[in-house]
Amino acid sequence: ETGVTQTPRHLVMGMTNKKSLKCEQHLGHNAMYWYKQSAKKPLELMFVYNFKEQTENNSVPSRFSPECPNSSHLFLHLHTLQPEDSALYLCASSPRTGGELDTEAFFGQGTRLTVV
Amino acid sequence: GDSVTQMEGPVTLSEEAFLTINCTYTATGYPSLFWYVQYPGEGLQLLLKATKADDKGSNKGFEATYRKETTSFHLEKGSVQVSDSAVYFCARGEGSYIPTFGRGTSLIVHP
Repeated sequence: ETGVTQTPRHLVMGMTNKKSLKCEQHLGHNAMYWYKQSAKKPLELMFVYNFKEQTENNSVPSRFSPECPNSSHLFLHLHTLQPEDSALYLCASSPRTGGELDTEAFFGQGTRLTVV
Repeated sequence: GDSVTQMEGPVTLSEEAFLTINCTYTATGYPSLFWYVQYPGEGLQLLLKATKADDKGSNKGFEATYRKETTSFHLEKGSVQVSDSAVYFCARGEGSYIPTFGRGTSLIVHP
């Protein structure tokens, strides 16, 4: 148990559906991240939020829309996805205290997404 | 190029064998270095870390030493178990709160 909770654990959706992934942490961390993990590919950083402000968007298609209403919650809204978007989506958080050299990240268990 | 480079897997070993997974990094300063482990169906968990040169991180029988002269942070374990089968990720953090991960190395341990 890392203190980062993701729901749902598994999701199957059609290409015309709209769904949302949820991430929650009560570790007091100020930075939160979405990563995509596909088979046989490196871990891909998608979005970064720091103190609720988006600071990174690594050329992610607009069919993925993040939302960070507060420092404890992070959402990833999904719409009109493609089959190649099927992957494990991981949420992580880390402290942002000013001493950034020790940037340990805490991960959730991930949401296994299948687009049919 | 990659700022964290890991050996490609899978690494396949018999139980009680010695394990080494190589990791090298590029950095302009003095990053913190980490090893994460991902068991099947799970997210990544921190395994060990080292924050300065010559530090040794250790946990669950795994060790890694921060080698500034060779920019390396190789993961070792003297005697692996079947339950160590997982994917291992080397990572660094430097001057930014966003950690950088290697591609991951799959370890398969047979009884």
